[in-house]
Amino acid sequence: QVQLVESGGGLVKPGGSLRLSCAASGFTFSDYYMSWIRQAPGKGLEWVSYISSSSSYTNYADSVKGRFTISRDNAKNSLYLQMNSLRAEDTAVYYCARVSVAAGMYYFDYWGQGTLVTVSS
Amino acid sequence: SSELTQDPAVSVALGQTVRITCQGDSLRSYYASWYQQKPGQAPVLVIYGKNNRPSGIPDRFSGSSSGNTASLTITGAQAEDEADYYCNSRDSSGCVVFGGGTKLTVL
Repeated sequence: QVQLVESGGGLVKPGGSLRLSCAASGFTFSDYYMSWIRQAPGKGLEWVSYISSSSSYTNYADSVKGRFTISRDNAKNSLYLQMNSLRAEDTAVYYCARVSVAAGMYYFDYWGQGTLVTVSS
Repeated sequence: SSELTQDPAVSVALGQTVRITCQGDSLRSYYASWYQQKPGQAPVLVIYGKNNRPSGIPDRFSGSSSGNTASLTITGAQAEDEADYYCNSRDSSGCVVFGGGTKLTVL
């Protein structure tokens, strides 16, 4: 069955960096776009970024553009999110999700359990 | 990027039908997808495309769309349907947007 397992979250000071990882299994990883979505404590879902199956295309939310970088290693079935210049408002649970496409629309059919990132001094 | 607007909270009596709506300009061009999230859990996809349910999602969940409004309908709501529900779509630049979420209470 499809499994997505995030890791790398933790406590970091404002201005610091963190790298999240997502290990995928149960499907052909290289066939799918992948995405990061976050949820601040007590708040709604916020899309962060996605990456195409071959890494040729990426897209980011305005709130993280220029600070976060999404990447993947298809040989290792892994997705990454490099987060730099972190701010308090980046505090959230970060979910890794598989992206499927239908009628030009992106939807997230499998999600990991999330990893908590806390940005605080 | 486009915005998607959802009612913050909706309630339904056990066994009755409830409609949760999502409004936004992007919905004139793209279908919404819907996610259910229970406390402490990751979201689960319940509806995608025109009106498609992933395997394992009960058929009491259905989706529809008209103009700039997408709707998730639960026909015969059960206690286990109490959760937060989020819609999502995309804009013309390929950015993804989520609605603010609707907290469904089953009375």
